[in-house]
Amino acid sequence: DVKVTQSSRYLVKRTGEKVFLECVQDMDHENMFWYRQDPGLGLRLIYFSYDVKMKEKGDIPEGYSVSREKKERFSLILESASTNQTSMYLCASSTGRLAGVGSYNEQFFGPGTRLTVL
Amino acid sequence: DAKTTQPNSMESNEEEPVHLPCNHSTISGTDYIHWYRQLPSQGPEYVIHGLTSNVNNRMASLAIAEDRKSSTLILHRATLRDAAVYYCILRDVFPETSYNNYGQNFVFGPGTRLSVLP
Repeated sequence: DVKVTQSSRYLVKRTGEKVFLECVQDMDHENMFWYRQDPGLGLRLIYFSYDVKMKEKGDIPEGYSVSREKKERFSLILESASTNQTSMYLCASSTGRLAGVGSYNEQFFGPGTRLTVL
Repeated sequence: DAKTTQPNSMESNEEEPVHLPCNHSTISGTDYIHWYRQLPSQGPEYVIHGLTSNVNNRMASLAIAEDRKSSTLILHRATLRDAAVYYCILRDVFPETSYNNYGQNFVFGPGTRLSVLP
């Protein structure tokens, strides 16, 4: 059974704290993604990585950084948490290899981390 | 990527068919139509995808208009477990990237919240 796991389901932090959100996938996927989800706004891409040590900014990277030291692990870092970063954070992964005929490069999502910054 | 438009919410009775519409009038010739859904307290999961022809899988059917400017996700017999937010997403089958990778990040809009009544 394929799996994307996130380190915490719920997290409460204080303004100014450094926050680490961890994501691990066991499917040997090249690509990993971090999204945040807010009511009425859908999912928005923060950062993604297509290989170890590689990263690309998504639509809303401000206030965030990422780290991918190993293929299976992708970390999202809030250097100095603020209240407007209270949100649901979702990690996803997908293969980067071209899907063959009849195959599909779907994204697999983790269960999410609900972060509250006080 | 082209934009999609979906109703904010829909309601269905249990064991009845559900037709979830999606408009995408600016779709390009190489855009695939993807559907994901998000059950309560979970990350999104893949449902189905297609390009031109109608598609069926164990979860749902996808009916694509001849001009491809709209599509409909069909749940043949809704169950309570199908209550979720359904996302219709367009993505080029070969997105231009600066790296050799066929993984795809998706832009998730607000989607359609489907309620299933017992």
